Amino acid sequence: GAVVSQHPSWVICKSGTSVKIECRSLDFQATTMFWYRQFPKQSLMLMATSNEGSKATYEQGVEKDKFLINHASLTLSTLTVTSAHPEDSSFYICSARDRLAGGWSNEQFFGPGTRLTVL
Amino acid sequence: EDKVVQSPLSLVVHEGDTVTLNCSYEVTNFRSLLWYKQEKKAPTFLFMLTSSGIEKKSGRLSSILDKKELFSILNITATQTGDSAVYLCAVQAFTGTASKLTFGTGTRLQVTL
Repeated sequence: GAVVSQHPSWVICKSGTSVKIECRSLDFQATTMFWYRQFPKQSLMLMATSNEGSKATYEQGVEKDKFLINHASLTLSTLTVTSAHPEDSSFYICSARDRLAGGWSNEQFFGPGTRLTVL
Repeated sequence: EDKVVQSPLSLVVHEGDTVTLNCSYEVTNFRSLLWYKQEKKAPTFLFMLTSSGIEKKSGRLSSILDKKELFSILNITATQTGDSAVYLCAVQAFTGTASKLTFGTGTRLQVTL
């Protein structure tokens, strides 16, 4: 089956630093990747939709200058949390849609998530 | 704004019990409703429902969608401790050129011996 990896799994950083999270589709090409954030005991909230070769589409309330998304290839999207603060501490999950699937496809393959803790 | 509401938020049952989890939604351009199971990491896919009244089954789990009343239920029969998890309901909606998922807050199920 389709596999999505995320790196790192867990990161602890100091307030004010930037953190980059990678999302890779390992055995398929993904024109679209999604970034979600999940706070403790809450559901997944879509942050942005990342399209290969174009600018990401951010959900309302998500600061695009703070959460930089780059989708430079068909297998890699990165999320950079700039000038991270304790309130950015969360579980960040990416998902990827197979390039060969249509726009209506339900096939979003989820990565294992990255737990970010900002001190 | 698309909205997905799950109930109950949390429940504890004894092994062997049957549980019913609820999901209601208000979504523009509805395409499908999906159920996921989330243990400690990313969600794992359970079901996708697109048509009303057609039950999907997988072992002890089953789900059905009512597009008129805008809700779905997920049933788990003969629960086991391994069913303990957060169950997420998500609705897929068409956004113009693609689709996106809106998740509910989840139902946290704990199955005890």
